[in-house]
Amino acid sequence: GAVVSQHPSWVICKSGTSVKIECRSLDFQATTMFWYRQFPKQSLMLMATSNEGSKATYEQGVEKDKFLINHASLTLSTLTVTSAHPEDSSFYICSARGNTYNEQFFGPGTRLTVL
Amino acid sequence: GENVEQHPSTLSVQEGDSAVIKCTYSDSASNYFPWYKQELGKRPQLIIDIRSNVGEKKDQRIAVTLNKTAKHFSLHITETQPEDSAVYFCAASPPGGYQKVTFGTGTKLQVIP
Repeated sequence: GAVVSQHPSWVICKSGTSVKIECRSLDFQATTMFWYRQFPKQSLMLMATSNEGSKATYEQGVEKDKFLINHASLTLSTLTVTSAHPEDSSFYICSARGNTYNEQFFGPGTRLTVL
Repeated sequence: GENVEQHPSTLSVQEGDSAVIKCTYSDSASNYFPWYKQELGKRPQLIIDIRSNVGEKKDQRIAVTLNKTAKHFSLHITETQPEDSAVYFCAASPPGGYQKVTFGTGTKLQVIP
């Protein structure tokens, strides 16, 4: 299957700082990328859907000013957690889809810990 | 929007037995139903998927069945092995690459040696 990378794999930051997470599709063009967060022992909760070159569509309850998503190219999307707080600590996973099939390919995830 | 329910939340089986996980969905427009296996701290891995024009699909020890009328689909794992132990998620998606995938709540499968 296609390969999606995510960087960093883990990050620890102080409360109030901003953290940027990158998601890259390495061998295909991702017209759509999805950002999820996953709390321990819970399912994947979709945060937003981003299509290349357009604004992201956020799910209800997700603050767009806090979780900034950029999908500037067909191979890169970024999620920036602004002014992070301890309650933002979670496992963030991206996934990417091409435009010719339904299957989405997941990145390895980023473990964010906010102190 | 789509709502996917998954049962059971936990499942313990003896090695060699079969495991069945069931999901229901609400949106009749959904036509793609993937199943993912997720090990602790790792990314979800697609193990099998089915489209709405097919009623059953099998891949070695894994099979998925789909009942469009009843809007439910199931994962069947036969001859379970300890390495099958993981959390399994079902999901549903309408057509279109830009369409979001809605996940079930997950089933923690434990295969007892």
